[in-house]
Parts: sequence; structure tokens; C-alpha cells
Amino acid sequence: DTEVTQTPKHLVMGMTNKKSLKCEQHMGHRAMYWYKQKAKKPPELMFVYSYEKLSINESVPSRFSPECPNSSLLNLHLHALQPEDSALYLCASSQTGTGYFSPLHFGNGTRLTVT
Amino acid sequence: GQQLNQSPQSMFIQEGEDVSMNCTSSSIFNTWLWYKQDPGEGPVLLIALYKAGELTSNGRLTAQFGITRKDSFLNISASIPSDVGIYFCAGLTPNNAGNMLTFGGGTRLMVKP
Repeated sequence: DTEVTQTPKHLVMGMTNKKSLKCEQHMGHRAMYWYKQKAKKPPELMFVYSYEKLSINESVPSRFSPECPNSSLLNLHLHALQPEDSALYLCASSQTGTGYFSPLHFGNGTRLTVT
Repeated sequence: GQQLNQSPQSMFIQEGEDVSMNCTSSSIFNTWLWYKQDPGEGPVLLIALYKAGELTSNGRLTAQFGITRKDSFLNISASIPSDVGIYFCAGLTPNNAGNMLTFGGGTRLMVKP
């Protein structure tokens, strides 16, 4: 069982819908991440939160809006997505800081289909 | 973005055979990670390597951190059907903004019973 929990597991949405992906971890990690993964490709970084503050945005379109309500929760709000945004969205967490060679622990992802 | 060179891209082997895959980088990493991803699941950490030259085992898995800190290999001994999946290497760069992973392209392993 993964210690990073993502909901929902599957999501189908139309291009005019608004939906949210949720992620939760209770390992005391202070960095949380959103990755996007296309089939047969490695995960691609989207956003990083460090100590509940957005620290990295990898030039992600504004139709993706991240939120970190507290140190255990991470959300990704979706609005006006395109079919090419269909992918597996992965959440991950880790310790952070230059002294922490802490691996990232991934959730099982949300399989998103945009119709 | 930058990606590590991982090979082979795919392998189709007989159950019971040993497997070897490797990753190389033009940059130095202080930590190398190996993940396995099953279909429809997230990547699961298999082995973490923290010291150059380190050889670490986890059951039938053995991984080594290259002495130059620019490469790593993963070996699986006596493969079984549940070894099927995609294996990713990753170099880790710690940072106050978050620990950054640079992934290899993945090795897809298929095991014939």
C-alpha cells in the first residue's frame, strides 16, 4: 500500500468542467509534488510545494491550479482542460532541503480523461 | 528537459532468467534511485543509493552506484512473472525548493512464464 493517497483513481471530464484532484500524506514530509505522466514516458514535473508554499511551477498552463491547504494535503484544480491533458497525474512527497537526500514517494495517481 | 540515458528500452525474457539494466548521465548525482511502475499504478521505490561505489540489495534486486557518480545499474535475479512492469532510474538533486528528480526513459520488462 502506498503512503501517499490520491483521489479519485479515475476521472472523466468535459472541456468545460471544473474538477479537483486530491492528495494526502501523513509521513511528515514538507515537500509535495504534482507530476503528469503520458503512456510509456517517465513522469514530468508540474509543481512543487515546499513548506506549503509554491516553490516551483514548470511553466504549467493556468488551466491547472495547485493548492496546498496544509502540510498533509495537496490539491490540483482543473478547469477548461484540453483532450491532450488526458494523462496519469501523480502526487509525490518527500523531505526537502539541501541536507535531505530524501527519495520521493508517489501515490497511485489519478487517470484523467478529457472528452 | 534533461533525461538520463536508460537501456535497454525493453526486454522480453524467460521466467527464471537474470535481468540487467543501466542508466548513464552526463551530470553527477549524489543519490540514485530505482523505481518500478506497474500498469495503472504509481512508481514504487525499489532501491536508493547514496554513496559512490555502493552496492545495495533488496531481495532478488541488486543495484550499484557508479564510482564516477554518473551511472547506475539494476540487476534482477531469477525473474518471475510479477517482475513485469516499467523500471525507471532517477538521479536526485536535493534543494530547499524540493528534491528534484531526473528520470531515465524507462525499461519495459516482459517475462514469459
